[in-house]
Amino acid sequence: EVQLEESGGRVVWPGGSLRLSCAGSGFKSDDYGMSWVRQTPGKGLEWVAGINWNGEATRYGDSVKGRLTISRDNAKNSLYLQMDSLRVEDTALYYCVRGYGEGVFDYWGQGTLVTVAS
Amino acid sequence: EIVLTQSPDFQSVTPKDTVTITCRASQTIGINLHWYQQKPDQSPKLLIRFASQSFPGVPSRFSGTGSGTDFTLTINSLEAEDGATYYCHQSSSLPYSFGQGTKLEI
Repeated sequence: EVQLEESGGRVVWPGGSLRLSCAGSGFKSDDYGMSWVRQTPGKGLEWVAGINWNGEATRYGDSVKGRLTISRDNAKNSLYLQMDSLRVEDTALYYCVRGYGEGVFDYWGQGTLVTVAS
Repeated sequence: EIVLTQSPDFQSVTPKDTVTITCRASQTIGINLHWYQQKPDQSPKLLIRFASQSFPGVPSRFSGTGSGTDFTLTINSLEAEDGATYYCHQSSSLPYSFGQGTKLEI
């Protein structure tokens, strides 16, 4: 059974940094691209970043480019999102998702909540 | 960026109804369109991939059609457990984007 479990979400000040992690199980990590997708009540679902199977290709949504960095460690079956220069509008539930270049997001974690507030 | 517009935003339905949700893309996306179901306090779950392919384990009452710019998700003989918000998602070009969601109230 494919499982994705996010961690690392918390309350952080504007301008602060945070690192989200996602632990995967039930599948071979280096067979799949991975993504982070976030959700807010106001803006709905937003694709944030994607990474290919070996970590050599990454892409970002325009609203996070230059501030968020996606990475992975296939040996640990883990995905990461380094979040710097955080803004109030980055407040959201962040999902770890299997899928990127393949196009479809076939499995989602339960999400980790990031709140940016003073 | 490709914009996906779903209709309706909300629909009140009754068990055994047949429901159709539409998703229109701002430019042609082939069949790179996927549908997800999200129940309250749960993460989205894949229903239909590439416009019409059912994801394994999804009940056969869920089906999808379309190509280019116009797509539909149909739920036949609705069940009480189908009360949820449904989203379309395009993977034709980056940045990937989602529709605003359609909430079905049973």
